Amino acid sequence: GAVVSQHPSRVICKSGTSVKIECRSLDFQATTMFWYRQFPKQSLMLMATSNEGSKATYEQGVEKDKFLINHASLTLSTLTVTSAHPEDSSFYICSARGAQGLYSNTEAFFGQGTRLTVV
Amino acid sequence: LAKITQPISMDSYEGQEVNITCSHNNIATNDYITWYQQFPSQGPRFIIQGYKTKVTNEVASLFIPADRKSSTLSLPRVSLSDTAVYYCLVDHAMDSNYQLIWGAGTKLIIKP
Repeated sequence: GAVVSQHPSRVICKSGTSVKIECRSLDFQATTMFWYRQFPKQSLMLMATSNEGSKATYEQGVEKDKFLINHASLTLSTLTVTSAHPEDSSFYICSARGAQGLYSNTEAFFGQGTRLTVV
Repeated sequence: LAKITQPISMDSYEGQEVNITCSHNNIATNDYITWYQQFPSQGPRFIIQGYKTKVTNEVASLFIPADRKSSTLSLPRVSLSDTAVYYCLVDHAMDSNYQLIWGAGTKLIIKP
């Protein structure tokens, strides 16, 4: 299957600072990327969906000014957590899909996740 | 949108076949059913996907009845390394957008 690389895998930052998480599709062009947040022992919660070259579509309750998403190319999307606070500590996961027909029209490939701890 | 229900947890033993059933009422005509596996602190990994009847790959089988309101993931001869959380998803396509609807996950524990 396709490979999605997410970096960093772990990050610890001070409260009030910003953190950038990168998500790269290594062997396919990701027309759509998704960002999820996962709390312990819970399912993934979709934060936003981004199509290359367009503004991200945020889910209800997700602050777009706090979670900045950029999908400037077909192989890279970034999530920046701005002015992070301890309650932003979580596991963040990106997912990518290629153009319909490249793989299954419904198979999404996931990154390894980023464990963010805000102290 | 489909509402997804799956068991919270299951136990089994090495070498056994494990079946995890998921219900997805209100599944739409164009929706696909997909299962993912997730280990702690890792991203989910695709297991299998289907639309109807039976799909089999090298790691699992997926059984979907004619009404498509449920699906069963079958893991043959499980091992300790199959201990993980298994998510049932419905992939809902609307226009050019894809919406993954996640179940809460089934924590599968395999015992020696």
